[in-house]
Amino acid sequence: DIQMTQSPSSLSASVGDRVTITCRASQGISSWLAWYQQKPEKAPKSLIYAASSLQSGVPSRFSGSGSGTDFTLTISSLQPEDFATYYCQQYNSYPRTFGPGTKVDIK
Amino acid sequence: EVQLVESGGGLVKPGGSLRLSCAASGFTFSNAWMSWVRQAPGKGLEWVGRIKSKTDGGTTDYAAPVKGRFTISRDDSKNTLYLQMNSLKTEDTAVYYCTTDLEIRAFDIWGQGTMVTVSS
Repeated sequence: DIQMTQSPSSLSASVGDRVTITCRASQGISSWLAWYQQKPEKAPKSLIYAASSLQSGVPSRFSGSGSGTDFTLTISSLQPEDFATYYCQQYNSYPRTFGPGTKVDIK
Repeated sequence: EVQLVESGGGLVKPGGSLRLSCAASGFTFSNAWMSWVRQAPGKGLEWVGRIKSKTDGGTTDYAAPVKGRFTISRDDSKNTLYLQMNSLKTEDTAVYYCTTDLEIRAFDIWGQGTMVTVSS
């Protein structure tokens, strides 16, 4: 199985800050990497697929990059509605696996 | 509106069974591969299993912790996905989500989730 790791596990930031979250796969997954946002008591929401493609309706302040084993999610200017937990997921192979999550909260 | 709505969650004793349903609308369900994902209280996301479209063979794949106990099926005439859970364990306690499992767009659409509690 492909193991996914994320760093940091949590971070505190202010509105307007640039935030970067890193995800690493235990083996190469090409660009088959997705990012999800989850707010408390809510279902996850898909943000990015294929490492860098934004899902429809997702604000352009979100961006993704990377390929192979190393990936990043960047929020260019953090907004109040962006405080949430973010998960990466590989879909190169089954079983699909998620990273442990990065919680972004208010400084 | 594209939508997935899960139902069937509840409280069940260890060793018991439960069947979850996921009603789809707003997209061509019969063409979609579908997955179940769960989230234990306070924990991260865990993929449970997937079913392909009938066009692609309709085959299933499961995560190791549930293989042999859980069964995913679909009724395309009802636009509904199912998760039959047998021999439930306390560690199966979680919110269960259904989601589209797309080749390019990954887990694009998610339901709101249904809570399953396994406890004596």
